[in-house]
Amino acid sequence: DGGITQSPKYLFRKEGQNVTLSCEQNLNHDAMYWYRQDPGQGLRLIYYSQIVNDFQKGDIAEGYSVSREKKESFPLTVTSAQKNPTAFYLCASSISGTAAGANVLTFGAGSRLTVL
Amino acid sequence: GDSVTQMEGPVTLSEEAFLTINCTYTATGYPSLFWYVQYPGEGLQLLLKATKADDKGSNKGFEATYRKETTSFHLEKGSVQVSDSAVYFCALKGSGGYQKVTFGTGTKLQVIP
Repeated sequence: DGGITQSPKYLFRKEGQNVTLSCEQNLNHDAMYWYRQDPGQGLRLIYYSQIVNDFQKGDIAEGYSVSREKKESFPLTVTSAQKNPTAFYLCASSISGTAAGANVLTFGAGSRLTVL
Repeated sequence: GDSVTQMEGPVTLSEEAFLTINCTYTATGYPSLFWYVQYPGEGLQLLLKATKADDKGSNKGFEATYRKETTSFHLEKGSVQVSDSAVYFCALKGSGGYQKVTFGTGTKLQVIP
């Protein structure tokens, strides 16, 4: 079945360490996204990529980095510069352009990061 | 910029009760509107959508009508079940070129037997 796989599901990190969250999709979607979810704040966009080898900052990109070397993969690195990294991270993908379904996001199951 | 405001939760209902979760939005042009649902420990899933004024989205007994005159997209269900307990997010995507999806803060629904 097509979908988005995020790993790990749970991750613990010491302060000062960088961690990388994996996101892989087999939906053949061009666009991919990373969101951060905190209680009572909904979802906030960290980074997005509309095509391979290109990505843009979202609303809260500071302290995060991404790469998009392959269409199916969009890993997120949470760096030591991120002041409050404990959160639930969600990866999503969508069709690009104006095709039917281009507005709809498909989400992975999420990764919960806890900084000790 | 675009914004979505939805009623705060948690909302607690008895099984078979009627559900309304209010959602209003601010956006230029003609955005597409969505309701997503998140079950505990999972990612979000699309519940329903509407892409133009007066469209009604529906799925699994849930409905929402795109009301441009009141900039609203309220979610309704006539008879909730315990399995509907989840967090519901209203969202919009602006029209024209690339537009990000803007989410509301989510409304937690708890249905008790």
